[in-house]
Amino acid sequence: NAGVTQTPKFQVLKTGQSMTLQCAQDMNHNSMYWYRQDPGMGLRLIYYSASEGTTDKGEVPNGYNVSRLNKREFSLRLESAAPSQTSVYFCASSEASRGDTQYFGPGTRLTVL
Amino acid sequence: GDSVTQMEGPVTLSEEAFLTINCTYTATGYPSLFWYVQYPGEGLQLLLKATKADDKGSNKGFEATYRKETTSFHLEKGSVQVSDSAVYFCALSVDDYKLSFGAGTTVTVRA
Repeated sequence: NAGVTQTPKFQVLKTGQSMTLQCAQDMNHNSMYWYRQDPGMGLRLIYYSASEGTTDKGEVPNGYNVSRLNKREFSLRLESAAPSQTSVYFCASSEASRGDTQYFGPGTRLTVL
Repeated sequence: GDSVTQMEGPVTLSEEAFLTINCTYTATGYPSLFWYVQYPGEGLQLLLKATKADDKGSNKGFEATYRKETTSFHLEKGSVQVSDSAVYFCALSVDDYKLSFGAGTTVTVRA
């Protein structure tokens, strides 16, 4: 099993450009998540999808949109990138119960110039 | 709101030394507690977890006990190896499955 996969691994954008980060999981999990990781701040939840067809805002949703395309795929879109969005982005998935382990992808390192 | 506070790093140790990383939490309900580890260049992976008070999670020689009376979940390992060099994150979830993470502690083990 591949687990959670993310594309691309690295990306450089100019301010104002748009892009979509892709995430897919092959574990038949109901829930999927997008986090950003910044130095000294741990991981912060951007958006999550509790189940196919639903999405909700997390702690830091401004400047992002998401799409739960199907049970396997959950994409994150930056419509107009800003330097403050320079970060490492992680996708994760889990079953829908409290205490369940979240499984993380390898991350996308995004730089916005 | 629900939050986690973990000791700041970086922490540098010699091989076979004892490692402790402190983690305390604030939560309105009864959280599940986790330690995740991030090796260089990789995503996070679960190291251990505990879902109720007095539970002990253990894995790869690491242990942590869920202490409700002190709202703590400290991570310990008796004899670290160079391969334990990583960033360690304490995290909690309360009434749902969303995780709240601490800031992370970078551990470097020298041979």
